[in-house]
Amino acid sequence: AQKITQTQPGMFVQEKEAVTLDCTYDTSDPSYGLFWYKQPSSGEMIFLIYQGSYDQQNATEGRYSLNFQKARKSANLVISASQLGDSAMYFCAMREGSGANSKLTFGKGITLSVRP
Amino acid sequence: SQTIHQWPATLVQPVGSPLSLECTVEGTSNPNLYWYRQAAGRGLQLLFYSVGIGQISSEVPQNLSASRPQDRQFILSSKKLLLSDSGFYLCAWSGGVHHQPQHFGDGTRLSIL
Repeated sequence: AQKITQTQPGMFVQEKEAVTLDCTYDTSDPSYGLFWYKQPSSGEMIFLIYQGSYDQQNATEGRYSLNFQKARKSANLVISASQLGDSAMYFCAMREGSGANSKLTFGKGITLSVRP
Repeated sequence: SQTIHQWPATLVQPVGSPLSLECTVEGTSNPNLYWYRQAAGRGLQLLFYSVGIGQISSEVPQNLSASRPQDRQFILSSKKLLLSDSGFYLCAWSGGVHHQPQHFGDGTRLSIL
């Protein structure tokens, strides 16, 4: 089974509106971390936001927030007040365990296009 | 602050030629280091990771190898490139404990002719 699932097709949003990018995960480890990365067309991977499995509150980072629903195993990214520069690929990722060699597993990504 | 440098940015190589991609990290010590490959329009596939000098773990059998000769240097190599080695290669580092994010270099676009 896939550990990280991102099934949305390409997403479109009007500038200044909010958009939600879906991510579901699968793990039996009680300790894990969830991450979102942005990859613009230039290729670099930019870390956006992190949610720990034991965190009581949803993570927020500027215009980014993570809608963490632990029982449903979902970690959706919400981008508020979309900007043209938000157009990019977005990847959800999970790191299981907390040891030094715990690895990051990525989803296949979602393409977001912001319309002016 | 920590920075990660990866080079070259673009590389075109003939089939059968050797490869050496280098990655260095500044501003931190004893980082975990990673090499990923991303096929066009796809997610990232972890190739190698290292938790210390000389310690390399391989995730998938392949034509590539990795080495960590110094604490903050990670090298991806091949003796003879295949067409299937084409892709976008990303180096990343992270702290060694808890759920710290991985921070990526700018990547190398490798085309095999």
